Parts: sequence; C-alpha cells; structure tokens
Amino acid sequence: KNEVEQSPQNLTAQEGEFITINCSYSVGISALHWLQQHPGGGIVSLFMLSSGKKKHGRLIATINIQEKHSSLHITASHPRDSAVYICAVGTMDSNYQLIWGAGTKLIIKP
Amino acid sequence: SQTIHQWPATLVQPVGSPLSLECTVEGTSNPNLYWYRQAAGRGLQLLFYSVGIGQISSEVPQNLSASRPQDRQFILSSKKLLLSDSGFYLCAWSRRWISGNTIYFGEGSWLTVV
Repeated sequence: KNEVEQSPQNLTAQEGEFITINCSYSVGISALHWLQQHPGGGIVSLFMLSSGKKKHGRLIATINIQEKHSSLHITASHPRDSAVYICAVGTMDSNYQLIWGAGTKLIIKP
Repeated sequence: SQTIHQWPATLVQPVGSPLSLECTVEGTSNPNLYWYRQAAGRGLQLLFYSVGIGQISSEVPQNLSASRPQDRQFILSSKKLLLSDSGFYLCAWSRRWISGNTIYFGEGSWLTVV
C-alpha cells in the first residue's frame, strides 16, 4: 500500500461542476502539498498546509490531521482547470524528501 | 521575486551520448535544489538534492550525476545515456527545509534517448 493515496485516479466533469480530489496518507507529516501539473508538463505549487483550510480563488484545500486526509476542491470548474493534481507530503523523517501521490487527472469539458 | 529556469526544454539524444541539463534560480540564496524524473504516466522520482555548493546527495543509483558549481546553479549530467534515461526531468528549489516549505519547479526538460 502506498503511503500517499489519491482518489479518483481520473475524473471527467462538465464545466461549472464542483470538483473534489482526495488524498489520504499513512505517515506522520509536517506538511501536505497540493500541486498542479499542466498538460505541457510544468508543475505549479497550489497549497502547502499543515492544518485547517486554505483558499485561493476557486481552489480550496482542507486537511484533517486526525483522519490523515486532505481534499482539494475546485468551485465553478472551467476547462482551463484540466490538469493532473498531485498530493505530496513532507514527513518528520526527512528534510529533503516528499512522498508523492500518483496524481489525479482532471478533464473539464465545456 | 524568485524564478527558476531550466534548459533545454526538449532534446533527442542517441544512446551512449552525453547529457547536460542546466537549472538556475534567481531571487533567493542558499536554496535547496532538486532534480526529479518523471517517466511516462508515473509519479515524480527524486534523483538528486543539494543543500549547498558542491554538496550533492543521490537518492537513486544510476548513470546520472549532478553538480552544483554555484549557489543557484544545478546541473544534471550523464557520460553515456541509456534508453531507460528517457523521461521528463524537473529541477526544483525550496527554502530549507522542504518538509515545511513550498517547492517551486522549473519548466521541465523532455529527454528522448533513441
């Protein structure tokens, strides 16, 4: 079993829908990262959080430390949100390594 | 503001040829620097990280090497490429330590070994 699990693996939705991507982890973490990988390959960091909730525009990230679970939400989804969304965690054991999820491929249809 | 650049963006190299990918960071000092590889349809694999000039740590044994000749310059090299070296290579930086800091990626380099 991977230490960081994302679900779903693939998600296709219509423009305007509310999107939820989930990330569960089995290790003790210092922080959890959500990143976006565009079709061209570039990766952008969206959020880093260790507790509670963060919001940036239409994106919302939440984390429940007790349940070892995080969610990334996209409100009013748009075709330009189509990308791979990746969850990664930093642990107490390493100052250099992140444990990466496999990613969720999101397609938003117009 | 901080920026990170890597080049070349794409390259096609024959088996056995050398490789050099370069990455530079601007707008910060003493960054942690990282080289990742992403094989097709796979997750990110950390290849090397560096906490300072001349300090390189390897996470995966392979025929690749890394060097950090200057504080904000990170180079990925190979003397002889293998077919299995094909993939998408990403340079990244973070303030220390990555477990509690945002990670910033370069644009990536697509390498095809033929």
